[in-house]
Amino acid sequence: DTAVSQTPKYLVTQMGNDKSIKCEQNLGHDTMYWYKQDSKKFLKIMFSYNNKELIINETVPNRFSPKSPDKAHLNLHINSLELGDSAVYFCASSQRAGGYTFGSGTRLTVV
Amino acid sequence: DQQVKQNSPSLSVQEGRISILNCDYTNSMFDYFLWYKKYPAEGPTFLISISSIKDKNEDGRFTVFLNKSAKHLSLHIVPSQPGDSAVYFCAASALFYGYGNKLVFGAGTILRVKS
Repeated sequence: DTAVSQTPKYLVTQMGNDKSIKCEQNLGHDTMYWYKQDSKKFLKIMFSYNNKELIINETVPNRFSPKSPDKAHLNLHINSLELGDSAVYFCASSQRAGGYTFGSGTRLTVV
Repeated sequence: DQQVKQNSPSLSVQEGRISILNCDYTNSMFDYFLWYKKYPAEGPTFLISISSIKDKNEDGRFTVFLNKSAKHLSLHIVPSQPGDSAVYFCAASALFYGYGNKLVFGAGTILRVKS
């Protein structure tokens, strides 16, 4: 029973398309995150939600819009995809000051 | 602006020997440090952590050392096993608005343990 699950695992799409990545956690954690791992392998925070409320919004283009329908779900919608959006996107959750539990990642390739 | 740095992109160690992975940070506000391990096509998994009030934390074969004055931490794996071969990420935490952690990650070090 996967603790943090994200779908799809792989996503190949053309420039200009709109796509969504879904994330669900069954750990009862209050806080969820989206991280991006770029070509240089850095993991960088994009967004954080606590109990459906946006609390961290890093300098991410507004083509990226997170949505949290409830505290167990945090989805990421990306409009007008660009080549530079190609990366691995990780969802994670945590309980306040605890460590993260990560999903297995979504490899997005924009062609 | 890299606040967490792992200057060794890779490390190769013989099975049974010690692996030492290093990490430096620049932000003196960080007060909680973690190591994550990542296998290909999987998400990072939590390995061990240390609070800034400690200088050492041990969990089985894994020990993390923190030198606050030098803003340096290291992960020791003794003895190293082939299954330890993975990418190791150092992360530092800044509690954000009292809700959850904003973890800042290093670029990772690829550890290869040769049998």
